Amino acid sequence: NAGVTQTPKFQVLKTGQSMTLQCAQDMNHNSMYWYRQDPGMGLRLIYYSASEGTTDKGEVPNGYNVSRLNKREFSLRLESAAPSQTSVYFCASSLPPPGDTQYFGPGTRLTVL
Amino acid sequence: AQSVSQHNHHVILSEAASLELGCNYSYGGTVNLFWYVQYPGQHLQLLLKYFSGDPLVKGIKGFEAEFIKSKFSFNLRKPSVQWSDTAEYFCACLTGGSYIPTFGRGTSLIVHP
Repeated sequence: NAGVTQTPKFQVLKTGQSMTLQCAQDMNHNSMYWYRQDPGMGLRLIYYSASEGTTDKGEVPNGYNVSRLNKREFSLRLESAAPSQTSVYFCASSLPPPGDTQYFGPGTRLTVL
Repeated sequence: AQSVSQHNHHVILSEAASLELGCNYSYGGTVNLFWYVQYPGQHLQLLLKYFSGDPLVKGIKGFEAEFIKSKFSFNLRKPSVQWSDTAEYFCACLTGGSYIPTFGRGTSLIVHP
């Protein structure tokens, strides 16, 4: 099992460009999450999907959109990138019921110039 | 809303020293508690977790944590650290029935050989 995979690993964008971060898990988990990690700020939840077909906003959703394509895949889209979105992005998944361990992907390091 | 506080933001130790990282949460009901570790350049992975039962939880690599309900605490301990324990450590709390863990801001541990 690959666990949680993310692509790309690194990306540099110019302000205003758009891009989609891809995430997939092969553990048959229902719940999936997108976080951003910034120095001194810990992990902040951007969006989550409790189950296939549902998505909800987290703590910092502005400037992002998500798609839960199927049970395996959960993508994060930046429509018009801003320097404030420079960060490391982690995707995670967890088993049902709610309240279990999260399994994280390797992360995407995004720089917006 | 619940919160998780990690009091030590940066800890520097020499090998063989003992470690205790503080974690306090603010929720009066049933909680599930986690410690995650992020080694340099890697993704977060589970170190240990508490759901119920024995409040002293043992994890990987000799780490343990004690859940003290009266103090709303879940401190992480290791009697003798190694250089390879250099990492960032995150405490997280899940309240009953929730999909969304609350993470602390993390503690950066540097162990000098």
